[in-house]
Amino acid sequence: QKEVEQNSGPLSVPEGAIASLNCTYSDRGSQSFFWYRQYSGKSPELIMSIYSNGDKEDGRFTAQLNKASQYVSLLIRDSQPSDSATYLCAVTLDQTGANNLFFGTGTRLTVIP
Amino acid sequence: DGGITQSPKYLFRKEGQNVTLSCEQNLNHDAMYWYRQDPGQGLRLIYYSQIVNDFQKGDIAEGYSVSREKKESFPLTVTSAQKNPTAFYLCASRWGSDRANSPLHFGNGTRLTVT
Repeated sequence: QKEVEQNSGPLSVPEGAIASLNCTYSDRGSQSFFWYRQYSGKSPELIMSIYSNGDKEDGRFTAQLNKASQYVSLLIRDSQPSDSATYLCAVTLDQTGANNLFFGTGTRLTVIP
Repeated sequence: DGGITQSPKYLFRKEGQNVTLSCEQNLNHDAMYWYRQDPGQGLRLIYYSQIVNDFQKGDIAEGYSVSREKKESFPLTVTSAQKNPTAFYLCASRWGSDRANSPLHFGNGTRLTVT
């Protein structure tokens, strides 16, 4: 079982709709959760971080964390064509050392004008 | 401005040649990482370093080498032993892993093409 899993997609939504991206993780002791956006041919950029159960909102983005169910999600409200990108979920597992942050393979989102 | 600088942005080499990718950060981060990304694929960890003069192999270290002589610098050498070197290479850094809430910050990447 992979440490972090995402639906590979692709996920297509019409402009103005809500896009919902999901991520599950295997380590119940995981501490930190991050969402990155990666445009085609570019490097990943951090868009959201969440550390405790519940919702965290930043503009049109909302991260949701449920540690009991071991999933974290990203909602994008009023989706725009500029949101079309691959979204990577990253999780800091409950282990020491620098190699304790794991990425999912990403979900490709397309927002249709 | 603080950040991570990777150079060059594009690199072309002939098969059988070693090539070194540069990564410099001025964020005062302790840990640095090298990832490889192939088209349509996720990130794969090549090497990482927690402190100066120390580094560890990641999942796909064969055919690669690194050094960490300075905190700011973590160059990656792609050797002729790497069978499929053509890829997008990403350097990243973050505060030490003892800071659990520390995200990775990425450079802009180097696209290496070997023919």
